[in-house]
Amino acid sequence: DQQVKQNSPSLSVQEGRISILNCDYTNSMFDYFLWYKKYPAEGPTFLISISSIKDKNEDGRFTVFLNKSAKHLSLHIVPSQPGDSAVYFCAFTGGGNKLTFGTGTQLKVEL
Amino acid sequence: GAGVSQSPRYKVAKRGQDVALRCDPISGHVSLFWYQQALGQGPEFLTYFQNEAQLDKSGLPSDRFFAERPEGSVSTLKIQRTQQEDSAVYLCASSLDPGQGSLRQYFGPGTRLTVT
Repeated sequence: DQQVKQNSPSLSVQEGRISILNCDYTNSMFDYFLWYKKYPAEGPTFLISISSIKDKNEDGRFTVFLNKSAKHLSLHIVPSQPGDSAVYFCAFTGGGNKLTFGTGTQLKVEL
Repeated sequence: GAGVSQSPRYKVAKRGQDVALRCDPISGHVSLFWYQQALGQGPEFLTYFQNEAQLDKSGLPSDRFFAERPEGSVSTLKIQRTQQEDSAVYLCASSLDPGQGSLRQYFGPGTRLTVT
């Protein structure tokens, strides 16, 4: 069973505009939510996180929103830059240490 | 300081061969994780160590997969009698401690295993 879904495999955005990446989950036991970014031939790198007691967390150009009732997580990047082009994974943990990842969204920021 | 390193970066194995993948975590990191990432998918959990103790191996797909971390630092993931479905990128991650620090895991570059 797929507990985490990133329904958009790819997203193309113009430089300077907002990028919105989305993630849906089914497991109500998840209590901490993260976004990772991955460049080709590198491992995922941590971007931003949010706990289940919050609905928004901001770090510079990156903002994560959590809608627990809808079991929906999103990442906003504004303004988008060409260096943001990468694969973005949402990831979740609930009561343990292991992360459950989504399938990823390839973001391309065009000049 | 140095990040998580993995070796080899690429491995080609003939079906039926045994392989060993190495992970050097960040110094001082208590927790170590192995994930498997198939093409076009997100990483999937394999196993977790806290120091030398393997606390969770629920993600290992079969008894052909074995992981160890005997001295609580370097870890080795061994796959016996490799099959084509084992072809994937194997990612190692470490984190500082079993508490809040585990929520931020630092990943190595991965080992891409191709079984022919």
